[in-house]
Amino acid sequence: QVHLVESGGGVVQPGRSLRLSCAASGFTFSPYGMNWVRQAPGKGLEWVAFISFDGITKYYADSVKGRFTISRDNPKNTLYLQMDSLRAEDTAVYYCAMTTSAWYRGMDVWGQGTTVSVSS
Amino acid sequence: QSALTQPASVSGSPGQSITISCTGTGRDVGGYNFVSWYQQYPGKAPQLMIFDVSDRPSGVSNRFSGSKSGNTASLTISGLQAEDEGDYYCSSYTSRSTLVFGGGTKLTVL
Repeated sequence: QVHLVESGGGVVQPGRSLRLSCAASGFTFSPYGMNWVRQAPGKGLEWVAFISFDGITKYYADSVKGRFTISRDNPKNTLYLQMDSLRAEDTAVYYCAMTTSAWYRGMDVWGQGTTVSVSS
Repeated sequence: QSALTQPASVSGSPGQSITISCTGTGRDVGGYNFVSWYQQYPGKAPQLMIFDVSDRPSGVSNRFSGSKSGNTASLTISGLQAEDEGDYYCSSYTSRSTLVFGGGTKLTVL
């Protein structure tokens, strides 16, 4: 069974860093592009970043460009999101999501999310 | 990148049909046939319901259908059921090689 499990969330002070992980199981991770999507409390979904199957192509939302870095380790079946210079507005549930076709055609497998709270 | 525009809420009675609109620009919805729709229950992860404007992933009921005209995409749910109640989000690929979501629509089944 296909599973994505996020971890690494927590409470962090503004300006500090946090690294999220997304562990894949039940399928071959390496052929697929991956995304991070977040959802602030009581708000809608916001796409954060994409990484291609080979880790070469990366795209970011303007709101996180220059502060967040998406990466992956295919042998470990794991996706990462390094979040630096965190701000209060980065407080959200962070989901990893997989695309089994071209990345812009829809995210068809999602994790359960991990919560990040940025507060002093 | 501004969010796509969706109505905040829609409602319908069981058995009826409802339509949720999603309005963007020529740089996203109008420029590409890469509009997706997601269903989300409270406290749960989103689920893909429609991709490529009108295609359904396997396992999604054929009561869900999608379409697009110009800069506006639409999700129609026919034969409304209580289990359809939840939040719905549209998403589109953009000319800047990013994805943009709509603000979300809360569907209430009366």
